[in-house]
Amino acid sequence: NAGVTQTPKFRVLKTGQSMTLLCAQDMNHEYMYWYRQDPGMGLRLIHYSVGEGTTAKGEVPDGYNVSRLKKQNFLLGLESAAPSQTSVYFCASRDSLDNKKLFFGSGTQLSVL
Amino acid sequence: GQSLEQPSEVTAVEGAIVQINCTYQTSGFYGLSWYQQHDGGAPTFLSYNALDGLEETGRFSSFLSRSDSYGYLLLQELQMKDSASYFCAVRAVQAGTALIFGKGTTLSVSS
Repeated sequence: NAGVTQTPKFRVLKTGQSMTLLCAQDMNHEYMYWYRQDPGMGLRLIHYSVGEGTTAKGEVPDGYNVSRLKKQNFLLGLESAAPSQTSVYFCASRDSLDNKKLFFGSGTQLSVL
Repeated sequence: GQSLEQPSEVTAVEGAIVQINCTYQTSGFYGLSWYQQHDGGAPTFLSYNALDGLEETGRFSSFLSRSDSYGYLLLQELQMKDSASYFCAVRAVQAGTALIFGKGTTLSVSS
């Protein structure tokens, strides 16, 4: 039972480079989320999706784009990485009928030099 | 907007009881959740309160008072493995179904 899988687990970028983080879930969940976690800041919502083909902005969306072309996948893109985007990124999903529980992936540690 | 306040750090010894408080401000309330995160790991769901009162799950309990916009997580019979960060969270009014998290409380359990 894989749950929520994030790739890659680690990545180092140079300022200005682009990359895509992939999140895949096998639980048939409607809702998916991208959060970033910085020391002392908790988890902050970047973007979210309430279904295939839909996306919306969260608390800190600037510098990121997302796509949800397939229900099971939620992609987070950085078009031109900046050092301020150095963070740990977590993807999460939940079932539309259970508003209590988010399932998180294991995270992606991104460093932008 | 929405905000959650919780202590940044709590320390305790094995076998003790510790309470982690959370106060929140939100224009629409759908329940208070608690998550645990070990160092280097992913957050995992612990507990949820939609109504006032105490919810018990083994050694962990969570309490909610909607009139006071306040809740707490109670950890009993502390073990070393309980050393982790604990986050309270509320549903984000502006972001539909997402959760907005507090900044977390780091619990250190010593022997």
